[in-house]
Amino acid sequence: AQSVTQLGSHVSVSEGALVLLRCNYSSSVPPYLFWYVQYPNQGLQLLLKYTTGATLVKGINGFEAEFKKSETSFHLTKPSAHMSDAAEYFCAVSKGGGSNYKLTFGKGTLLTVNP
Amino acid sequence: EAEVAQSPRYKITEKSQAVAFWCDPISGHATLYWYRQILGQGPELLVQFQDESVVDDSQLPKDRFSAERLKGVDSTLKIQPAELGDSAMYLCASSLTGVGYNEQFFGPGTRLTVL
Repeated sequence: AQSVTQLGSHVSVSEGALVLLRCNYSSSVPPYLFWYVQYPNQGLQLLLKYTTGATLVKGINGFEAEFKKSETSFHLTKPSAHMSDAAEYFCAVSKGGGSNYKLTFGKGTLLTVNP
Repeated sequence: EAEVAQSPRYKITEKSQAVAFWCDPISGHATLYWYRQILGQGPELLVQFQDESVVDDSQLPKDRFSAERLKGVDSTLKIQPAELGDSAMYLCASSLTGVGYNEQFFGPGTRLTVL
């Protein structure tokens, strides 16, 4: 079974400050890892993903995440927060390989950006 | 740009009534997913289709929920009878099928309120 733990249900930063959203996963097989963003009353948009290869992954809107197998982590960062980054962020895991990419999501982290 | 369509966007119903949600995936996407997202939680997979066949419905409450994808294109999720605890966002996603990872694209969701 796979699971995801997002540390901190709410993170508040100032505009221009570093954004760090934490995600730890549990998986019995090599995982695929994802970060999604959700704006109010909208669906989910993929920010970035790790499948294989380079462990530092760059995504859209200036976000990046690093897969650390030894720490079972996939934390999301952005050097400088913008007001438009305010949203809910979800970390997700699926089994690597095969053809069934069922996603297991964390409970989400609400990011607030203060002017 | 192709998108996953869902309707209605919002639905209010009374307890014990029947409700239905519709999803039209991106053209050519053989895999279709229905997720339920309770407020403050991450999405949880209800059912996954490969063409018209159900691949995974292990988390679908089959006593009241049903899903179909008769022609392997659009899909309907039904709840009968609705209960207060069914209030949630219902998200549809679709993806290509084949070797290697295929990104899931999410629709805007249907927000259900059961009174």
